[in-house]
Amino acid sequence: GAVVSQHPSRVICKSGTSVKIECRSLDFQATTMFWYRQFPKKSLMLMATSNEGSKATYEQGVEKDKFLINHASLTLSTLTVTSAHPEDSSFYICSVRDSRGDTQYFGPGTRLTVL
Amino acid sequence: GESVGLHLPTLSVQEGDNSIINCAYSNSASDYFIWYKQESGKGPQFIIDIRSNMDKRQGQRVTVLLNKTVKHLSLQIAATQPGDSAVYFCAENRSRGGSYIPTFGRGTSLIVHP
Repeated sequence: GAVVSQHPSRVICKSGTSVKIECRSLDFQATTMFWYRQFPKKSLMLMATSNEGSKATYEQGVEKDKFLINHASLTLSTLTVTSAHPEDSSFYICSVRDSRGDTQYFGPGTRLTVL
Repeated sequence: GESVGLHLPTLSVQEGDNSIINCAYSNSASDYFIWYKQESGKGPQFIIDIRSNMDKRQGQRVTVLLNKTVKHLSLQIAATQPGDSAVYFCAENRSRGGSYIPTFGRGTSLIVHP
């Protein structure tokens, strides 16, 4: 399977600040990356699909101006949580799709805590 | 609406026993399913997948069974070990815009007692 990294692994920030999370595909070129958020003891919720070189596709109910996604290269996608608030505290996970376009492989996740 | 769900939120087993985790889906158009294992504080890890043209698929100590008639999916873990303790999710892959988008079920917490 693909090797996916995320940075940082955890971040604590003050309310009102912006936080950038990086997702890297280390061993293959990912044309599509996905961003999820997960609350404690809950399932993963898809936020957006990130396509290299084009605008991300956001799921219904996800604010695109608050969660900025940039997929600038075939190995890097970033999620920026703008003007973060305590309710944005969550576990954010990215995934990449393999060359067949079916199976997704996940990163280790980023724990965001907004004070 | 159509959804993916799990029958049991928590499953406790003794080390060495076999574990069976179940999943129900309602979208008959789904044709690709994946089981993921998620340990605390980590991202989901791919375990095994199955396509709708198969009824059974085996991996190392794991077997996935698919019953399309009743829209049911199960993950069997043989000789369960303490390291198998985690939350297990089934993901139903639905085609959207020509590509697969997974929808995750609620998850089952597997607890293995030594």
